[in-house]
This record gives sequence, structure tokens and C-alpha cells, in this order.
Amino acid sequence: DAGVTQSPTHLIKTRGQQVTLRCSPKSGHDTVSWYQQALGQGPQFIFQYYEEEERQRGNFPDRFSGHQFPNYSSELNVNALLLGDSALYLCASSPGWTSGGRVQYFGPGTRLTVT
Amino acid sequence: AQKVTQAQTEISVVEKEDVTLDCVYETRDTTYYLFWYKQPPSGELVFLIRRNSFDEQNEISGRYSWNFQKSTSSFNFTITASQVVDSAVYFCALRLVFGTGTRLLVSP
Repeated sequence: DAGVTQSPTHLIKTRGQQVTLRCSPKSGHDTVSWYQQALGQGPQFIFQYYEEEERQRGNFPDRFSGHQFPNYSSELNVNALLLGDSALYLCASSPGWTSGGRVQYFGPGTRLTVT
Repeated sequence: AQKVTQAQTEISVVEKEDVTLDCVYETRDTTYYLFWYKQPPSGELVFLIRRNSFDEQNEISGRYSWNFQKSTSSFNFTITASQVVDSAVYFCALRLVFGTGTRLLVSP
């Protein structure tokens, strides 16, 4: 039973560029959440997708957008990259949607470095 | 707004010592869920325990136990007889909101 997978593992981008990160949820899970984890900090909730719609959003600017596909996989897009966007981006999946009541299973993350 | 505070930044213990990680939360919701996750050096967060707000019974699972007290908005996590493999960063979470984490270092 495959867990949550994310690609790529590492990414280096330049300020102003755009980036797309990908996530495949654990088998049987239909809800995907994205988090940003800066060095030495806790994960910060970006948004959550269920049934191909954004259901909840954290305090992140519109530069952060996402998508969920019919197979439940998801993408996180960040436009106009800033140095401050450098972080570990975590994807988490859960079965069903209950506004944060489900146990989340996390992927290994994508380390984004913006230079 | 929801908030989770983990005041302990780093804790160092010697193997076999018991250690308690503190978590204080803020919420106006009457129904909510609290979680503890572990992030080992490999980086992947691992689920440990979940507690809902309407069940204040404290439990023990192996070397792990937790103390949920609604009156003080606390959800503390205890590891009994710590082991070197317990070294990691531990996060308390209230639904989708995470604390800043407590780094636990267990030395032999």
C-alpha cells in the first residue's frame, strides 16, 4: 500500500519564477492538504482540496494556488517566487473531509530553494 | 482564530527517563480534534495520537500516554522510558493548525 508521494524531492528556482509541486495521496484517500514548513518552524496550512474543490484556505496570498484531479492527486502552484517561499512543502492526505478531524498522512515533502 | 502553543523549544533527556511535552491550545469551537505528530530527522511527519474534544479520558498506548484537560486547554504528551529512537521534533496540532514543535534529544 503506497503512502503519500511527492515530486520533485528538491527544487531550486530563481526569484520571480513559477513552480509546480505534485502530490499523490495514500490509496483510499480523497482529501489533500498542503503545508509550508520553514526551517525550524511548524507546518503552516496552505489549503485543502476535496472533490476537486478548495475547501479551506490558510493565510497565504493568491500567488499560492492549487488543483485536485479526478484521481485525487493534487498540484501546488506558486507564482512570482520570493526568497521567503524557500521551505519544505508537505502534502498530506486523509479519507473523507471533516474540516480537520481526520488523521492526516504526510508525504516526505519537496524542498524548495529560491535564490 | 485557532492557536497552538508549544512553549518547550528543546528538551534533552537521558535514555530511560520519562519526558512530557506540553501543548496549550486556543479555540472557540465546542467540537474540535487535537493531534500529536512526530517528525524524525528524515523529515516525514508521522501521526501518533488523536483526541476529540468530547472525550476527556486519558489513555496509555505502550510507552505513550496523553493528558487532555479542557479546563486548562492543554493536551500534554508523555513518553515513558525514552529511547534514542524517540529523538525527533514533536508537533501538537489543533485540526489543521500546528504548533512550532518541541525538539526532543534522547542521549544514550
